[in-house]
Amino acid sequence: SQQGEEDPQALSIQEGENATMNCSYKTSINNLQWYRQNSGRGLVHLILIRSNEREKHSGRLRVTLDTSKKSSSLLITASRAADTASYFCATADSNYQLIWGAGTKLIIKP
Amino acid sequence: KAGVTQTPRYLIKTRGQQVTLSCSPISGHRSVSWYQQTPGQGLQFLFEYFSETQRNKGNFPGRFSGRQFSNSRSEMNVSTLELGDSALYLCASSLGFGSGGSYEQYFGPGTRLTVT
Repeated sequence: SQQGEEDPQALSIQEGENATMNCSYKTSINNLQWYRQNSGRGLVHLILIRSNEREKHSGRLRVTLDTSKKSSSLLITASRAADTASYFCATADSNYQLIWGAGTKLIIKP
Repeated sequence: KAGVTQTPRYLIKTRGQQVTLSCSPISGHRSVSWYQQTPGQGLQFLFEYFSETQRNKGNFPGRFSGRQFSNSRSEMNVSTLELGDSALYLCASSLGFGSGGSYEQYFGPGTRLTVT
């Protein structure tokens, strides 16, 4: 079963707008990671947020984590065409296996 | 540093055959994980190797196996292929294993396996 569930499944926005996608998970976690996958660069790590952190930034990316709600969000500001990709959250289960959500497909329209 | 490499990139096999996929991790990375990605099931964890030992295994049948060599290169093998094994097989390397997902994973481009 999936640990992380991304929402929405698909998102289409205009270039320059902000994109927000959410991830919910089921069990307690130590860390949560976000990855991006596109046809050009494959699956790439974006950011890791630890369970004792509430917010983390990396360039145009902002990730929040709410352990009480078992949810995380990824915000991409000032979107670009190159941000078109699928975005996945991944958390580790009790056996330290990374469990992945189904992903959010983001399309940036020019 | 060179990234994670996987060979072959594309493979077409017939049902019942077996296949071996290869993964070379980033230099210095001792953990290699394998994943199966399909449109219906998403990314599914297969197994993880660290220092030549399988540390974790996902919920896949025994037809899926793997190994890791002393230079950290890894291979996975699928025997008696089924149509449902058609997927993108991804390999990822990281500095360490486990630790609640503390380690960033670096992925290879994948091997696209088609079973006919």
